Amino acid sequence: QVQLQESGPGLVKPSQTLSLTCTVSGGSISSEDYYWSWLRQPAGEGLEWIGRIYTTGTTDYAPSLKSRVTISLDKANNQFSLRLTSVTAADTAVYFCARALFHSSSSSPLGSWGQGTLVTVSS
Amino acid sequence: EIVLTQSPGSLSLSPGERATLSCRTSQRIFNDYLAWYQQKPGQAPRLLIHGASDRATGIPERFSGSGSGTDFTLTISRLEPEDFAVYYCQQYGSSRYTFGPGTRLEIK
Repeated sequence: QVQLQESGPGLVKPSQTLSLTCTVSGGSISSEDYYWSWLRQPAGEGLEWIGRIYTTGTTDYAPSLKSRVTISLDKANNQFSLRLTSVTAADTAVYFCARALFHSSSSSPLGSWGQGTLVTVSS
Repeated sequence: EIVLTQSPGSLSLSPGERATLSCRTSQRIFNDYLAWYQQKPGQAPRLLIHGASDRATGIPERFSGSGSGTDFTLTISRLEPEDFAVYYCQQYGSSRYTFGPGTRLEIK
């Protein structure tokens, strides 16, 4: 059964770049055709989908974040990553990584999730 | 962008009662690609329903989904103590996923 684990700095200064990594175990990013997503959730608020990447490297991003977001694959380490530039306090949230339920499908709910990691933007 | 609205915002019920949660979308969802998730405090969301009405693996039969087009419903037939949580709907019919704001299901 696939497991996902987010990692990265818990504190980022305003205007800097937030970088997180999701390590996948129990499955292979390079040989299994899935979409891999990033989402976030500010404290006490709802879920926001940030974007996703496919095994081929194709990406989709939420329109509201597209200008600041990059999602990439690291197949050698079975990881995928999130970069969010020019962060502000509004980017403070728990960040989740997730995998699509269905393989080889661009239309799939999110079946497996990491536990989430809190990132605070503050000087 | 497809906007999802959920009602009610919160719902107070007792164990054993029936819960009916609504999700409405701003446009028709392709192939009724609508999912429901349950989230408990400090945990990641858990997929309950996909394709509007298909239960995910391991989800109890008391959870059911219905609806099509722009109006969808999650029903919990008889509430168990562990069902009190926040529920989100999500559309995945477009390449840019969106979620509803959630319904908080509280113990009365």
